Amino acid sequence: KAGVTQTPRYLIKTRGQQVTLSCSPISGHRSVSWYQQTPGQGLQFLFEYFSETQRNKGNFPGRFSGRQFSNSRSEMNVSTLELGDSALYLCASSLGLAGDTGELFFGEGSRLTVL
Amino acid sequence: AQSVTQLGSHVSVSEGALVLLRCNYSSSVPPYLFWYVQYPNQGLQLLLKYTTGATLVKGINGFEAEFKKSETSFHLTKPSAHMSDAAEYFCAVATSGTYKYIFGTGTRLKVLA
Repeated sequence: KAGVTQTPRYLIKTRGQQVTLSCSPISGHRSVSWYQQTPGQGLQFLFEYFSETQRNKGNFPGRFSGRQFSNSRSEMNVSTLELGDSALYLCASSLGLAGDTGELFFGEGSRLTVL
Repeated sequence: AQSVTQLGSHVSVSEGALVLLRCNYSSSVPPYLFWYVQYPNQGLQLLLKYTTGATLVKGINGFEAEFKKSETSFHLTKPSAHMSDAAEYFCAVATSGTYKYIFGTGTRLKVLA
């Protein structure tokens, strides 16, 4: 079956712009989690959505937001981009909530470069 | 509160040598523990997981890990390193009901010919 699909894979933006990233989970998975990965900070949890509701949120500013649709697809948005937002953004899906012993299935990520 | 510590951000081993990547966790309730691997320009892939039962867990590609409650450790080992094992490895902890899944900072494994 198809894995987790993230689009776009690469994108370049300038400071002040906004960006929307998309994640299609594995069919039947109801949870989507987002992570920011940078060389200095490792994997930082952004938020988790389950059945269209945000269930958990990391320590990121309000410029980072997300949503989940009824088909479990998820989008995350970053407004007013800063240089420090350059990172690999990873999406992971799971059958149930991520913390409930479940394996996370990751997409290949969207690499954002902010100039 | 849960936390994960991976000792050593970079580890180098010779091909054919033992691989040992260290992970210590902190959790107030019985944890679920995971090791993930990330190859360049890819997402993370599950290597193995411990939930309950047998404390020695075998995963893919010849890796295994042992849950040691008394040492709060979940170290990853492989008897003989292969060049294809070069990647970044992440330890993670989760506890049912907390809705939190926490990753360590990762260990980059380099395999020398």
